[in-house]
Amino acid sequence: DTGVSQNPRHKITKRGQNVTFRCDPISEHNRLYWYRQTLGQGPEFLTYFQNEAQLEKSRLLSDRFSAERPKGSFSTLEIQRTEQGDSAMYLCASSVTGVPGELFFGEGSRLTVL
Amino acid sequence: KQEVTQIPAALSVPEGENLVLNCSFTDSAIYNLQWFRQDPGKGLTSLLLIQSSQREQTSGRLNASLDKSSGRSTLYIAASQPGDSATYLCAAPSSNTGKLIFGQGTTLQVKP
Repeated sequence: DTGVSQNPRHKITKRGQNVTFRCDPISEHNRLYWYRQTLGQGPEFLTYFQNEAQLEKSRLLSDRFSAERPKGSFSTLEIQRTEQGDSAMYLCASSVTGVPGELFFGEGSRLTVL
Repeated sequence: KQEVTQIPAALSVPEGENLVLNCSFTDSAIYNLQWFRQDPGKGLTSLLLIQSSQREQTSGRLNASLDKSSGRSTLYIAASQPGDSATYLCAAPSSNTGKLIFGQGTTLQVKP
C-alpha cells in the first residue's frame, strides 16, 4: 500500500497522559500536514512540514502539542498532559512541493480522552 | 484570509436523483480547489481537484465546477446511489504552502 499511513487508528487515554501519533506519508511526497477534526466540523490545520522543516504552526497548536519530522520521512504528533478537549480525529496528509497540489489523507487517528 | 463555506449542512434525497452541493470561498486568488469524501469515522478521500485554470473536472458520475470570479464551486452528483451517502468536503489552499482551508461539509443521505 503506497498511501498515507497513520498509527494508531484509535487511542483511548486518561486525562493527563501523553499520547503520540505517527504518520508515514507517500514516499515521494516532501510536504506533510497535520489536521484536527472534531465531530460535525471540517478539518482544521495544525502544522505542516516541508522535508524536515516545520514551516507553519496554527495557533490551535498549544504548548502541549509538538510535531516532528526528523528525517523528512515519517512524522510524529505528541500531545502532552491530554485534556478532554483534545478528543478528536487527527488527520495526516502529504503532497508534493510546488504549486499547491493534491493532498492525500490517511485514515486518521481517533483520540478519546476520558 | 481564506474562508470556505458549504451549504447545506445536510441533504437527504431519494435514490436516482441528481444533486448539487455548494461551496463558496472568500479569496478568489486560489491555485485550485479540492473536493473530498469522508465516510463516518474514516479519513478523507480525494474526489476531484480543479486547477485555477480549469472551469470543471469530471470523474464518473461526479462533476465539479469552479467559478473564481464569484468565489463558488459546485459538486454535481448524477443518478445518486445509497453508496454515495457520506460527508462531502471542499477545501481551498490559503497560500502557496498548500495548506487547505476546509468547509464544514455537507452530509448526504441517499435513501433507497
